[in-house]
Amino acid sequence: EVQLVESGGGLIQPGGSLRLSCAASGFTVSSNHMSWVRQAPGEGLEWVSVIYSGGSIYYADSVKGRFTISRDKSKNTLYLQMNSLRAEDTAVYYCARESLVRGDIAGMDVWGQGTTVTVSS
Amino acid sequence: QLVLTQSPSASASLGASVKLTCTLSSGHSSYAIAWHQQQPEKGPRYLMKIKSDGSHSKGDGIPDRFSGSSSGAERYLTISSLQSEDEADYYCQTWGTGIRVFGGGTKLTVL
Repeated sequence: EVQLVESGGGLIQPGGSLRLSCAASGFTVSSNHMSWVRQAPGEGLEWVSVIYSGGSIYYADSVKGRFTISRDKSKNTLYLQMNSLRAEDTAVYYCARESLVRGDIAGMDVWGQGTTVTVSS
Repeated sequence: QLVLTQSPSASASLGASVKLTCTLSSGHSSYAIAWHQQQPEKGPRYLMKIKSDGSHSKGDGIPDRFSGSSSGAERYLTISSLQSEDEADYYCQTWGTGIRVFGGGTKLTVL
């Protein structure tokens, strides 16, 4: 079964750090583009970061310089290292697979269930 | 700048059909988009990808009641034979090199 399971969320003070994990099963993380998307309470979806199958990495301006996306091929897991956290980073964080069909992106076709990050003193 | 625009809300009666619209910003009318459904208190679920020529490919297990189409810079999601479980937020999403963009979402109410 194709599945993504996030973990690592929690309550953290402003300025703190947290690492989110996204364990994949049923497919290979490094063969697809993989994104992190977040949703603040009562708000819409906001893209955070993407790592391409070839290894290129991009970030939303709101997290550039503070967040780092990475993957571990041996564990088939995606990560998001979040530093210098702010209250506005409070959100449910989702990982999502972006399938490649003959090199063409199909969209974010598999989503995890999300992990909640709360930044508060 | 790549932007997607959606109406904040829509409503339709049980058993009826509804057509949701997602509009691409100027200069981006050739872009493909994806539609995602988010039911209350749940994570997003991929529905389909729609290309500029109107062709679409649906995700696994998505009912035939869901279909997509395209006209110019607009991408559509049509849901027929509305059921109560279709009451949800619907987001369109697109992509370019190094960027991913979501529309603001449309909250669909089934009357």
